[in-house]
Amino acid sequence: DAKTTQPNSMESNEEEPVHLPCNHSTISGTDYIHWYRQLPSQGPEYVIHGLTSNVNNRMASLAIAEDRKSSTLILHRATLRDAAVYYCILGGTASKLTFGTGTRLQVTL
Amino acid sequence: DAGITQSPRHKVTETGTPVTLRCHQTENHRYMYWYRQDPGHGLRLIHYSYGVKDTDKGEVSDGYSVSRSKTEDFLLTLESATSSQTSVYFCAISHGTGGDGPQHFGDGTRLSIL
Repeated sequence: DAKTTQPNSMESNEEEPVHLPCNHSTISGTDYIHWYRQLPSQGPEYVIHGLTSNVNNRMASLAIAEDRKSSTLILHRATLRDAAVYYCILGGTASKLTFGTGTRLQVTL
Repeated sequence: DAGITQSPRHKVTETGTPVTLRCHQTENHRYMYWYRQDPGHGLRLIHYSYGVKDTDKGEVSDGYSVSRSKTEDFLLTLESATSSQTSVYFCAISHGTGGDGPQHFGDGTRLSIL
């Protein structure tokens, strides 16, 4: 299975944009790029996913590199409630997800 | 609310006893999944189902079995629980047709095996 690489942790100030990077150099042509986040003591929460084009939803934006070997999750205005572990995952067949250790995002006032 | 209920939410049991965890959905989705999460780790897939009576193994399936006799329920069974199976277990469902869609997760079951 193709793997992803993310920084272990990142910090952001509240109300500022946050760019969470993800490298996936061995991605295959049919792999979707998924982002999930997990707040403390909760199950993972779907954030966004895409295949080739950039995607936007009410939670975030996903910017995908032209060669698809990297992507960036963009939170436009971080709040304290966005503090979580963010997982970048390549979705395989039957939507099986292989979670790594993710990026722990800290948001400060 | 994705309409997923896990039961029980917490359970403490002894080594060697059988344990069954239940995942119930009200969304009529075809795909269901069981994951486990250990401290400091991401989730790991145990088993998944792509329809009634259709299941397959994930990356950490040893010591676990599953059953899906109806669309809404996906059961995870530890036939003889061991301390290494102490973990938080999450169930998920997939909205996408063909399974290529986002997953929505339950609140988890915290299982302790003494």
